[in-house]
Amino acid sequence: QLQESGPGLVKPSQTLSLSCSVSGDSIKHGAYYWTWIRQHPGKGLEWIGYIYYSGDADYNPSLQSLVSMSIDTSKNQFSLKFNSMTVADTAVYYCARGRAAGATYWYFDLWGRGTPVAVSS
Amino acid sequence: EIVLTQSPATLSLSPGERATLSCRASQSVSNYLAWYQQKPGQAPRLVIYDASKRATGISARFSGSGSGTDFTLTISSLEPEDFAVYYCQQRGDWPPTFGQGTKVEFK
Repeated sequence: QLQESGPGLVKPSQTLSLSCSVSGDSIKHGAYYWTWIRQHPGKGLEWIGYIYYSGDADYNPSLQSLVSMSIDTSKNQFSLKFNSMTVADTAVYYCARGRAAGATYWYFDLWGRGTPVAVSS
Repeated sequence: EIVLTQSPATLSLSPGERATLSCRASQSVSNYLAWYQQKPGQAPRLVIYDASKRATGISARFSGSGSGTDFTLTISSLEPEDFAVYYCQQRGDWPPTFGQGTKVEFK
């Protein structure tokens, strides 16, 4: 299971910090790539980035300058920081488990319930 | 990045009917195409991965086909719980991208 946590409301220009707790499996499992995905209201899905248990991470080129991820294997959780939030970043933020399974990139076989984040003054 | 175009945007059908959803990629993604089901207020759920492999726990009425740039998700006989939005996602190229979704609604 995955469970997101974080503030539901941030002000414009602030930094969003979200965490995802992993239960039922080890975050150090080598087959998994821990991922953040967001969904703007009434819209489709946008992949934000991933982090591996080793700490290797990469991000969507469109968001790379704004985003960073970290992982705490002792707590079995990983985190997202999103800088300089704007109203356009209002969305539901999901953490998800990515599986590479013989390819370079991932499909996502386990998702958290999502946490809505509103950006407003 | 690869753009995925889903059609139709909305599919109006009745229970028991066959649903055929399309996803077209702007360039080849080999067979690295997944489908997700999303119901209101819920997270997406993996249905199909690698074009034709059913995810764990997914009914056999769901099937996927295609390769390269053209893919299809078929629901052979719609059950009430199948009415939802379906998204395709490619993992054949960087970065992973999603289609805009097809809503399967009650006719």
